[in-house]
Amino acid sequence: DQQVKQNSPSLRVQEGRISILNCDYTNSMFDYFLWYKKYPAEGPTFLISISSIKDKNEDGRFTVFLNKSAKHLSLHIVPSQPGDSAVYFCAARTYNTDKLIFGTGTRLQVFP
Amino acid sequence: SQTIHQWPATLVQPVGSPLSLECTVEGTSNPNLYWYRQAAGRGLQLLFYSVGIGQISSEVPQNLSASRPQDRQFILSSKKLLLSDSGFYLCAWATGGGGEQFFGPGTRLTVL
Repeated sequence: DQQVKQNSPSLRVQEGRISILNCDYTNSMFDYFLWYKKYPAEGPTFLISISSIKDKNEDGRFTVFLNKSAKHLSLHIVPSQPGDSAVYFCAARTYNTDKLIFGTGTRLQVFP
Repeated sequence: SQTIHQWPATLVQPVGSPLSLECTVEGTSNPNLYWYRQAAGRGLQLLFYSVGIGQISSEVPQNLSASRPQDRQFILSSKKLLLSDSGFYLCAWATGGGGEQFFGPGTRLTVL
């Protein structure tokens, strides 16, 4: 049972435009959500997170939105840059645990 | 600052051979430690996590085992590798209480 889903395996966006990566979850006990970026043959790097008590968190070009009623979160990257090309994973933490559940990832390609 | 090391970076092993992957963390004490596997085209699957020396929790039944002989050392092992053990293995650490996990560079394991 996949509790965290990223239904789009890939996304192509032109440089300078907005990239929107989506993530859906099923477990209402998740209280903290994170986005990671991963280049090939490297470990994921933490990008941005959001607590379930918030609906938006912004850090530079990256903004994460959380819609708890829809059990949906999204990552917006504005403006997109070629260096943003990578696989993006969303992850969620169950309340009162130290474990993260990861989605299957979305490969973002930013072209000139 | 904290750093996390994994070795080897790549490994090619025959079916039935043993395995030992090592992960060490510097710059922090009593971290939570995690082993993940990313199979081809799939997300990050949590294999084991540890909240202290000698304390190991297994997330999925499998051919692998983990040990934590020292506070900042986490080892992934197998007595006999299977073809299905091929993948990209990632170690991560986090402070207790949940939140962001920080990943090592990973080990690419190919079982032939």
